[in-house]
Amino acid sequence: EAGVAQSPRYKIIEKRQSVAFWCNPISGHATLYWYQQILGQGPKLLIQFQNNGVVDDSQLPKDRFSAERLKGVDSTLKIQPAKLEDSAVYLCASSVTYGYTFGSGTRLTVV
Amino acid sequence: AQSVTQPDIHITVSEGASLELRCNYSYGATPYLFWYVQSPGQGLQLLLKYFSGDTLVQGIKGFEAEFKRSQSSFNLRKPSVHWSDAAEYFCAVESGGNKLVFGAGTILRVKS
Repeated sequence: EAGVAQSPRYKIIEKRQSVAFWCNPISGHATLYWYQQILGQGPKLLIQFQNNGVVDDSQLPKDRFSAERLKGVDSTLKIQPAKLEDSAVYLCASSVTYGYTFGSGTRLTVV
Repeated sequence: AQSVTQPDIHITVSEGASLELRCNYSYGATPYLFWYVQSPGQGLQLLLKYFSGDTLVQGIKGFEAEFKRSQSSFNLRKPSVHWSDAAEYFCAVESGGNKLVFGAGTILRVKS
């Protein structure tokens, strides 16, 4: 089966600019996650979707981060405006019944 | 709240030597536990998982892990390390609601 697709792979932006990441999960996986992985740390959950509804966004900095999952398939994560501390790898994952599959991630550098 | 501790930030082993990566978790109920590996620039690949039953779990690439409830541990082992095993390893626990909490990771270096 095809894996979780993410784009772009890399992005460099200046602080206060905006950026968007895209994720296409495995077909049939109802649950989709966005994780933030800062260098030297483990991934931390930003938001969890079940189909096109939000299940958990308690760790999402909502003043600057937003995410949507239209039609319960693809998802986008947006940061506006970006801060230096947002430099990280953003991982998308999808799952069905505790079978989690991760994409390769988008490495964001904010300068 | 659920948490995962990986006490070793870096571990260096010689090729062919045995490996043990430590993981301790904090979780009130019976945990679902996972080990993932991440090579540079790559996503997370599942090595193995424990849900219930036999406490010794076999995974891919010759890895195994043992769940010890009394010690709240889920240590990853491999009897003979290959140079290609050099990567970062993450332990994770399912925290309820079908989402994972990860440890900070252990970077494995393999010397020839």
